This record gives sequence, structure tokens and C-alpha cells, in this order.
Amino acid sequence: DMKVTQMPRYLIKRMGENVLLECGQDMSHETMYWYRQDPGLGLQLIYISYDVDSNSEGDIPKGYRVSRKKREHFSLILDSAKTNQTSVYFCASRSPGTNFNQDTQYFGPGTRLLVL
Amino acid sequence: DAKTTQPDSMESTEGETVHLPCSHATISGNEYIYWYRQVPLQGPEYVTHGLQQNTTNSMAFLAIASDRKSSTLILPHVSLRDAAVYHCILRVPLTGYQNFYFGKGTSLTVIP
Repeated sequence: DMKVTQMPRYLIKRMGENVLLECGQDMSHETMYWYRQDPGLGLQLIYISYDVDSNSEGDIPKGYRVSRKKREHFSLILDSAKTNQTSVYFCASRSPGTNFNQDTQYFGPGTRLLVL
Repeated sequence: DAKTTQPDSMESTEGETVHLPCSHATISGNEYIYWYRQVPLQGPEYVTHGLQQNTTNSMAFLAIASDRKSSTLILPHVSLRDAAVYHCILRVPLTGYQNFYFGKGTSLTVIP
């Protein structure tokens, strides 16, 4: 089974603290994503990574940075967390499939972050 | 703005076949219709997708109208594990950059 893992699953931090969210996939997918999900806003794309050290901003990158040193790992970092960064964060990896139209994203279970 | 319209909720009984409708009147020629589902405390799960022809896999059957302005996800013999929020979204595959707008979706309740 294709699998995306996220750690930790739940996290409570104080405003101003640094936060590290980890994501792993065992499918050798090149493209990975970080999203946040808030009620009524669907999934918002924070960053996308096309491969090791090849990262691009998504729609809401402010306040976040990412690191991808190995294809199977993609980290999301919040330097000096803010209360409005309380959210559920999802990591996903993209499978291009064997045909040009076989494109699916596999999501991790999410990390629930509370910033006090 | 959301490009798809779905009912807020639907209810079914275990073992029944469920038809989840989705309207996408302004769909573009290169947009595929994707369905994902999500249960509380879990990430979205890919269900199926299609362009023009009906598609089927182990999870569901996707019926696409001939004018592509609507589609229906058909779940045969639903079980309690199929209870989830089902999202119909339009995407162009293989562009790398993909922003999912999930919206509210259809919350499917399955009664034992």
C-alpha cells in the first residue's frame, strides 16, 4: 500500500516557539506538498517540492519554510509560530502513474497544531 | 469560487447503492473530474477520476454526463466505512502545482 506518514499527529506550542512538522513517503514520489485545512476554506497549498532541494511557494507561504534533503522526507518549519497558524496540516505526495492522465495525490493523516 | 456544486448531505443504509451527484457547468476541456473522500481525523483519500468516459475501480463507479457538466459517483453496497465527506473537484493532471479547493463536499451518513 502507498503510504504517507506524518509526525507528530498532535502538537501544542506557545506563540513564538519553533515548530517542525515531518512527512515521509515510501513511494519514491518526486513531488510532495504541504497544505493546511481550516473550516470553510478547504485545503490551502503552502509549499510544493518537485524533488530534493527544489521547492516552490504555494498560495500561502508566509510564515512557513520547508526542507527536502531526501526524496522520501519533506519538512514544514514554522519559525516563531503564531496563533493564526493553528490548523490541521496535511502532507501529500503525487503519483504520476504510468499513463499521462493517472495523477493522484496521496495524503498523510494530518498534524493538528494548536498555537497558544 | 467553487467550480463544483454538491448537496450538503445524503443518507443511506448499509448494503444500498448510493449516487452522489456533482454539478460542474463551467468545466473546461482539459479539466478532469476527481473525487476524494475524507473522514474526521484523517487525510483526504483518492477515490477516482475521469475525463469523459465512465470509469470504474474497486471503490466506485464514476458516471460522467455526455456534456461533462455533471457527474455522479456511484458507491455500490455501501458499508459503515464509506461514511465520509465526499469532494468533487476539477483538476488538470500533471501540472505539478495543484491547489485543492475541497469546499464543503457531501457528507454521507450510512445507517446500519
